[in-house]
Amino acid sequence: DSGVTQTPKHLITATGQRVTLRCSPRSGDLSVYWYQQSLDQGLQFLIQYYNGEERAKGNILERFSAQQFPDLHSELNLSSLELGDSALYFCASRGPPNYGYTFGSGTRLTVV
Amino acid sequence: EDQVTQSPEALRLQEGESSSLNCSYTVSGLRGLFWYRQDPGKGPEFLFTLYSAGEEKEKERLKATLTKKESFLHITAPKPEDSATYLCAVQADADKLIFGTGTRLQVFP
Repeated sequence: DSGVTQTPKHLITATGQRVTLRCSPRSGDLSVYWYQQSLDQGLQFLIQYYNGEERAKGNILERFSAQQFPDLHSELNLSSLELGDSALYFCASRGPPNYGYTFGSGTRLTVV
Repeated sequence: EDQVTQSPEALRLQEGESSSLNCSYTVSGLRGLFWYRQDPGKGPEFLFTLYSAGEEKEKERLKATLTKKESFLHITAPKPEDSATYLCAVQADADKLIFGTGTRLQVFP
């Protein structure tokens, strides 16, 4: 257990639908990072939140949004889903000094 | 544009056959280079962070090194349980990681 918790582990939904992915960072970590990993691509940075505020944005589609709540958990909202949105979605938080980013076990999204 | 390229894409080794994985990068202002291991369907597992050229770190059969343009992950006498995808990432400005597409390593008995 990495300490970063993601739910659900698997999600199957239809095109056009909306889903919410949830992430709880390691205890004490203020940052949350969201990444998308498609079959043929590496991990792509989507967005970062720090203590409730958006800190950095990557290649995140306008149909996607995120937020971080006062208890530091974060949610990634994906709407108007397309087949191409099928991917693994990972959440990470920043580890202790001189440690790397700690990743959760991911949510596998399948859009049918 | 910040970029990370890993080679080879895939590597098959016999148990005990040592080799190296390469990660070349172009980034303005490297703040750290990270190596991760990823098993199928799982999240990346942190291995090493390197901060400056000349730095080396070791963990069991793995050794990571860093130059100004690339990093190597050396695997000495690998075992089948070392089979995984190895990911390299750099942290430049801001706080995000930029990943390469990884090297899929298979070690067979």
